Amino acid sequence: GAVVSQHPSWVICKSGTSVKIECRSLDFQATTMFWYRQFPKQSLMLMATSNEGSKATYEQGVEKDKFLINHASLTLSTLTVTSAHPEDSSFYICSAELNEQFFGPGTRLTVL
Amino acid sequence: ELKVEQNPLFLSMQEGKNYTIYCNYSTTSDRLYWYRQDPGKSLESLFVLLSNGAVKQEGRLMASLDTKARLSTLHITAAVHDLSATYFCAVDLRQGAQKLVFGQGTRLTINP
Repeated sequence: GAVVSQHPSWVICKSGTSVKIECRSLDFQATTMFWYRQFPKQSLMLMATSNEGSKATYEQGVEKDKFLINHASLTLSTLTVTSAHPEDSSFYICSAELNEQFFGPGTRLTVL
Repeated sequence: ELKVEQNPLFLSMQEGKNYTIYCNYSTTSDRLYWYRQDPGKSLESLFVLLSNGAVKQEGRLMASLDTKARLSTLHITAAVHDLSATYFCAVDLRQGAQKLVFGQGTRLTINP
């Protein structure tokens, strides 16, 4: 139980385009989901907390207009990277909370 | 600001040896998690430590938590090559919703 999926698992896009990443809890409902970013050989940094039916809570230094989060149902949260630039290239990992956090497999974004 | 510091950050050891990874944190918390990450992959949950004095063991790994000392340890017994990975501890701040702050990670390499 407690499986979280992400789609896509990897994406390559051109600079200036937008990319949407989906995070789904497959066998449980999650009021709260989280989005993390991990640069190569670094730790995970929390970007935002996604709450079903309300606005996401962003961490300090994360641009909410650039990283749009939508949590429209209890099993789906989406992260849209708008006007992506090469410095946004990273490994994006979501998690869903069910007493503890269960992590998705991650999405590797490469912006050319 | 909560700081979570792991020590060491890099560890190269031989099969069959024992070693300990330390995780120190700077504020009060009684929930700490240990995760394993393989290259290019997401996080795999290893241990959930929920109270002072908690000790959990799985195979060659054992984790403990001392909330008074703000210290957790991950002990590896008779290491085998398959344990080579990066290990992260994460402290739950529990500010309303769960909020995990990760350590820098310890990159463990076990040589035959």
